Amino acid sequence: GAGVSQSPSNKVTEKGKDVELRCDPISGHTALYWYRQRLGQGLEFLIYFQGNSAPDKSGLPSDRFSAERTGESVSTLTIQRTQQEDSAVYLCASSDRGRGNIQYFGAGTRLSVL
Amino acid sequence: SQQGEEDPQALSIQEGENATMNCSYKTSINNLQWYRQNSGRGLVHLILIRSNEREKHSGRLRVTLDTSKKSSSLLITASRAADTASYFCVPPPPGGTSYGKLTFGQGTILTVHP
Repeated sequence: GAGVSQSPSNKVTEKGKDVELRCDPISGHTALYWYRQRLGQGLEFLIYFQGNSAPDKSGLPSDRFSAERTGESVSTLTIQRTQQEDSAVYLCASSDRGRGNIQYFGAGTRLSVL
Repeated sequence: SQQGEEDPQALSIQEGENATMNCSYKTSINNLQWYRQNSGRGLVHLILIRSNEREKHSGRLRVTLDTSKKSSSLLITASRAADTASYFCVPPPPGGTSYGKLTFGQGTILTVHP
C-alpha cells in the first residue's frame, strides 16, 4: 500500500514568512509524528498525535511552531515567521499501535529559509 | 527517553565484505529497533527484535540482542554499495509503550566501496 506522503518535497521561503508542511500518514495508522533534521545533525522530535489523545508537543522549539491533525488522517505542521535556523528537513512518520512502535517515515520536506 | 549509542561512528568496507555495528543502551527494554537512513533523508525501519529473542534474521541482516549486557549488534553480510547509509539502533520510549517518540543517536555511518 501507499507509504507516508509529505508535501512539498522542497520549500524555499523568505525569513519572516509562514510555511505549512503536509503529511499524509499510512491509512489506518493511529499515531503520527513530526521530526526535523538539521544539516549534519541527528533527528529531533517535534510533536506526535495518538488517536484522540492530546498531542505530545514537548519537542516544539518555540511557539512559532504548531501542528494539527484531522482525526486519524492528514497533519499540517505550521511554522510562523520563519527564521534561518528553521532550515532543515522535516520528517513525518506514522505507526500502527500494537506493532512495537515501528515508525514509517516519509521522504521529508526540505525547508530552506533565506 | 533513551537513545541507543552506536559503535563505531564510521565504518568503511569493500563490497562483498560483512559489516558489523554495535549498539548499547542504558535501561531495560522490551524491544529494540534498527533503522537505516540514506543520503540524509528517508528513514527506513529494518528490523525489530524483542527482549525474549537473542537473534533475528531478515535477508542479509542479522541482529543479536543481549539484554544482560544491554547491547545489540547488526550484521550485514555480503555488503553492497547500496548499503551505504547511516544505521541507528532505537530503544522504545520510556515505559515500553507501543507508541511514542523515538530518540535517535548519531548512528554508524557505513560506506561500502564498489
